[in-house]
Amino acid sequence: QVQLEQSGPEVKKPGASVKVSCKSSGFTFSNFGFNWVRQAPGQGLEWVGWVSANNGNTNSAKRLQSRVTMTTDTSTSTAYMELRNLRSDDTAVYYCARSPDIHSWYYFDHWGQGTLVTVSS
Amino acid sequence: DIVMTQSPDSLAVSLGERATINCKSSQSVLYSSNNKNYLAWYQQKPGQPPKMLIYWASTRESGVPDRFSGSGSGTDFTLTISSLQAEDVAVYYCQQYYNTPAFGQGTKVEIK
Repeated sequence: QVQLEQSGPEVKKPGASVKVSCKSSGFTFSNFGFNWVRQAPGQGLEWVGWVSANNGNTNSAKRLQSRVTMTTDTSTSTAYMELRNLRSDDTAVYYCARSPDIHSWYYFDHWGQGTLVTVSS
Repeated sequence: DIVMTQSPDSLAVSLGERATINCKSSQSVLYSSNNKNYLAWYQQKPGQPPKMLIYWASTRESGVPDRFSGSGSGTDFTLTISSLQAEDVAVYYCQQYYNTPAFGQGTKVEIK
């Protein structure tokens, strides 16, 4: 069965960086894209960005573009999201979510369990 | 950027009754070349990740009960729960994927 297993919770200081991983199983990793979606405490869903596991193409939300990097490692079927220069308003649960296409984000048919990133001095 | 607006923000429905959630996009999400609406619906229960219910505006994901249905085209869409069950208490989100993805603000469904 499709599984997306994310790394554990992180506590970071403002200005630091965080890298969250999402290890996949149960399907052919390189046939899909992977999105990152975040949810601040008590708030709605915000798309962070997308990476194709086929060719490494990426796209990200304009307001995060300068601080976010998304990558994949096909040898371990793992997607990564790194967010730099963290601020307190980056505190959120970060989800990875699979897209059914290698060329664009489309809809998100399977989700990881989420990783809480807390930014606090 | 396309902005998604859901209504209402919350609703309370009696068990077995119909629940209707609306979603409006600031521009059309209908792609003329394939006549598909680039819209999905998700359900999120407390402490859980979202779960996809509907994609292409009206295609139910495998395993989703048939009491959930999606309709609409262009800029106006609806998610209907035909007979509300206790396990349907959740927050529901619409999402467009016509261009960079955007979600509605969510609609909280409770039991009356």
